[in-house]
Amino acid sequence: DAGVTQSPTHLIKTRGQHVTLRCSPISGHKSVSWYQQVLGQGPQFIFQYYEKEERGRGNFPDRFSARQFPNYSSELNVNALLLGDSALYLCASSTTGGETQYFGPGTRLLVL
Amino acid sequence: EDQVTQSPEALRLQEGESSSLNCSYTVSGLRGLFWYRQDPGKGPEFLFTLYSAGEEKEKERLKATLTKKESFLHITAPKPEDSATYLCAVQARPGRRALTFGSGTRLQVQP
Repeated sequence: DAGVTQSPTHLIKTRGQHVTLRCSPISGHKSVSWYQQVLGQGPQFIFQYYEKEERGRGNFPDRFSARQFPNYSSELNVNALLLGDSALYLCASSTTGGETQYFGPGTRLLVL
Repeated sequence: EDQVTQSPEALRLQEGESSSLNCSYTVSGLRGLFWYRQDPGKGPEFLFTLYSAGEEKEKERLKATLTKKESFLHITAPKPEDSATYLCAVQARPGRRALTFGSGTRLQVQP
């Protein structure tokens, strides 16, 4: 079975631009979570969605938003990019959100 | 606020030299403690979930244990392919489903 997939794998943007990252969960999983991982640190929680509804939000500014579609795939949007948004963005899926989360390969975002 | 502290930050072992990684946590109520392995530039790979103090799980050369305040990842006779960053995360109850991660332990196993 396919694992969690994310696109694109790499992205380069300039300050002030907008970016959309995409995630497809493991088949049968209805919950998607997004994490940001800065080099040398552990992942930090951004959002969790279950059945298209937001279940949790981390300590990130309103420039970050997300949504989940009827097929359980998800998008993470970041507006007005800052240099500090450069990171590895990870998507994780789970059956309902309250158990083991399985991670995708991530999207590496570089903001210049 | 949930907190996870991992030690050491980095560990260099010779092939076959067993050791342990530590994960100390503070959480309002533990729903689960998770261990992941992460290779450079890749997403975390799930290893173990532990739910209650006294629980142990094993997989090949790895064994994870859990107490009320910390978890250990024991690595027995490591091989160079075990080189990676090992991440520990907690999930608190009730309600919060987000994982709170430590900063990881970078393990290097030399032949």
